[in-house]
Formats: sequence, C-alpha cells, structure tokens
Amino acid sequence: AQKVTQAQTEISVVEKEDVTLDCVYETRDTTYYLFWYKQPPSGELVFLIRRNSFDEQNEISGRYSWNFQKSTSSFNFTITASQVVDSAVYFCALSPPIYNQGGKLIFGQGTELSVKP
Amino acid sequence: GAVVSQHPSRVICKSGTSVKIECRSLDFQATTMFWYRQFPKKSLMLMATSNEGSKATYEQGVEKDKFLINHASLTLSTLTVTSAHPEDSSFYICSAAPTTDTQYFGPGTRLTVL
Repeated sequence: AQKVTQAQTEISVVEKEDVTLDCVYETRDTTYYLFWYKQPPSGELVFLIRRNSFDEQNEISGRYSWNFQKSTSSFNFTITASQVVDSAVYFCALSPPIYNQGGKLIFGQGTELSVKP
Repeated sequence: GAVVSQHPSRVICKSGTSVKIECRSLDFQATTMFWYRQFPKKSLMLMATSNEGSKATYEQGVEKDKFLINHASLTLSTLTVTSAHPEDSSFYICSAAPTTDTQYFGPGTRLTVL
C-alpha cells in the first residue's frame, strides 16, 4: 500500500526562524515521484518540487530546501528565514510509477504552517 | 503557460439538485484529468481518474452514480454531483496531465449544499 505521513499537523514559528516540515512515505514501488505543494488560504495548490526516486540529491531553491533520504523513506522540506507569506498548508505527495497508475497523487495530511511577525 | 481553470469557483445549491463543475486546460491538451476532494482542514483525496474518450476510473469508496465524470475532449472534463446533499459539501479540485509525469491543478470549486 502507498501512504504519505506528515506527522506535524500544525507548526507555528516567528518570522526569520527556520522550519522543517517532515514527510515519510510508504511504497513498494522502486520507481516513484515525490512532491511538495503549498496551499495558501485561497485554496489553489502551488507546485514546489518534484523528485524522482532515483535522484537523492538534495535541492535548494532560494529559501527552500529539500532532503530526500530513501533509507528512511523521508522527503523533508526546510524553509530558511521564514516569512509571513510562507503561512499556508503544505502537502507532501507520492505518485506511483508511470506504468502503474502513473499520475495519481497520494497526499499526506498536510502541515499548517503559521509564521508570525 | 499550463493554466487549468475550474468553473464555477463557488456554488451554493439546494439539497437534491445536481451540480456540474467544469475543468479546462487552457493552453495545453490533457489526455488525463484527475478529480480530488478536500474536506476542511483535511488532505486531498483522489476521487477518480478521467481519460479522454473513455470511462473514468473511480477510487474505492467513491460512488460512480453520485459523481459523474465526463472527459469529452482533451481540454475539458466535467464532474457532476447528482442529487447533492449537505454531506457532499466540499472543495473539489481538478488537475490536468499533459504527460504521465506532470499535472497542473485548477483553482478549485467550493460546493455548499444547503
């Protein structure tokens, strides 16, 4: 079975603090994709990153960074020097391989991040 | 590029009526479209996978006769909630996939059934 777990339901930080959102996944597939999405209060999902299961390199994009570790089935997301505009619900998601229901996304429960000024 | 629209963005209807939600890919063709449902403060749950020209594939527990999906063209999929009841109130989000490893989300439709 495929499953994504985001154990942190809510996180509250003060502006400029660093914050890490955890994501643990389960799958029997050797090929899969992992994603992070941001959902601001407006409701629209904003794509942040997609990671192929064969690519374990960490990635940095501005204040955002991702740590992918297959050994622990984790794909954590860190925001450095958080800002009020980062306040949103963040979802981690897993997609099966293309040859097996490829495209469908299994979402974690989401982590609501609140950044206070 | 890669814009997906949903119409309406918000709808309020009386119990027992049917509501149609449209999902359009504006600047690309999508062989596959997905429909998700999100309850307040909850995650997104995949309802069905819609392939152009064929019947939709529904996830376990989703009533096919309740949530009718039509994908008549490469740019349009519709979700019809038939005989809607208050428990169908939710945020419905579609996504359109131009390729098997990429999908773009619509802005969502908030349905309230009175």
